[in-house]
Amino acid sequence: DVKVTQSSRYLVKRTGEKVFLECVQDMDHENMFWYRQDPGLGLRLIYFSYDVKMKEKGDIPEGYSVSREKKERFSLILESASTNQTSMYLCASSLGGATSYEQYFGPGTRLTVT
Amino acid sequence: GNSVTQMEGPVTLSEEAFLTINCTYTATGYPSLFWYVQYPGEGLQLLLKATKADDKGSNKGFEATYRKETTSFHLEKGSVQVSDSAVYFCALRPNSGGSNYKLTFGKGTLLTVNP
Repeated sequence: DVKVTQSSRYLVKRTGEKVFLECVQDMDHENMFWYRQDPGLGLRLIYFSYDVKMKEKGDIPEGYSVSREKKERFSLILESASTNQTSMYLCASSLGGATSYEQYFGPGTRLTVT
Repeated sequence: GNSVTQMEGPVTLSEEAFLTINCTYTATGYPSLFWYVQYPGEGLQLLLKATKADDKGSNKGFEATYRKETTSFHLEKGSVQVSDSAVYFCALRPNSGGSNYKLTFGKGTLLTVNP
């Protein structure tokens, strides 16, 4: 089975702190994704990576950056956390190419910024 | 752009009741359509999918049929169980163009099934 793990289930940070959210997948998937999930808004794509060191902005990249130095690991970085970044963050991965139908999700990290 | 609209929740049913969660979409061409489920405290799991018009996806007693003429992909189950309590997300993925990796999600529908 595909396994996507996220470094923390719950995280509390202060405004202005630099925050790292880590995601690791064990199925050699090319594509990795970061979403945020908010009540009434569903899931929104923050960033996408289709290969090591390659990334594309999603729908809401402002205030975030990402890093993908190894194929299995995709990090989301909040350079200076703000209270409006309090949310559930979900990582996902999928095969690349024409058969990249299914995205496999991690359990999520609930981040609170105070 | 692409969009997915699903019925607002929450939906509360008794065990063994019939379930329908409506989902309609806007997209160019012929996207692939998905239902994902999120159980409490967990990430999303793929429930079922359909990749072309008139396809029926099914899994765990749930079904959804890809209706191109009505741009719909409604989720149904004949007899729900307490264990089906979760949030359900409808999603689409374009099958052409530069963003064909990208899923567009609906806002989710919370289902609660009471014994």
